[in-house]
Amino acid sequence: DAKTTQPNSMESNEEEPVHLPCNHSTISGTDYIHWYRQLPSQGPEYVIHGLTSNVNNRMASLAIAEDRKSSTLILHRATLRDAAVYYCMTSNFGNEKLTFGTGTRLTIIP
Amino acid sequence: GAVVSQHPSRVICKSGTSVKIECRSLDFQATTMFWYRQFPKQSLMLMATSNEGSKATYEQGVEKDKFLINHASLTLSTLTVTSAHPEDSSFYICSARRDRGPGNTIYFGEGSWLTVV
Repeated sequence: DAKTTQPNSMESNEEEPVHLPCNHSTISGTDYIHWYRQLPSQGPEYVIHGLTSNVNNRMASLAIAEDRKSSTLILHRATLRDAAVYYCMTSNFGNEKLTFGTGTRLTIIP
Repeated sequence: GAVVSQHPSRVICKSGTSVKIECRSLDFQATTMFWYRQFPKQSLMLMATSNEGSKATYEQGVEKDKFLINHASLTLSTLTVTSAHPEDSSFYICSARRDRGPGNTIYFGEGSWLTVV
């Protein structure tokens, strides 16, 4: 799995878009990019994942750089319920062993 | 959507006893499940990969005789903490990969709090 680097913390105002960056410069061609988030005392919640193309779902969008060495999770309109620790990870297809880093603690300001 | 369920959500046991935590995939089959441990204010640490019908693969530093993993069916993996000690108190979380469907989605359980007294 490629090592990922994320900022330790970020703040955003409620109802504003949030862009959470992640660097994965050693990613290989077959590695997927995964984003999960975790609220206190809960298991991680799946947010989104992708391989090469940008991805959208009801929770967020994932923008993947053309060289795939970085990606950005986009929350289009942050709410207080989006306050969590966000983890960016990579895994090789067929071996979905996810290694968690320290993640980004996102604080939403009312 | 897919759901992974853990039981119990909280358990307190006496030092020296064993405790079993179950992880079930409720609406999909999962040949592969994963077990993690998380201490307060820390990230998740992968303990082992559980494979249906074969032995689990443990991460470096994780004692396989202390953390017994059984994956007897395509929807159930169990983690047994044997001879538990207070330092085993932690939040244990499992995850499961859906065997079929949109590629590579992994779902996590709600976690199980273990307190050893």
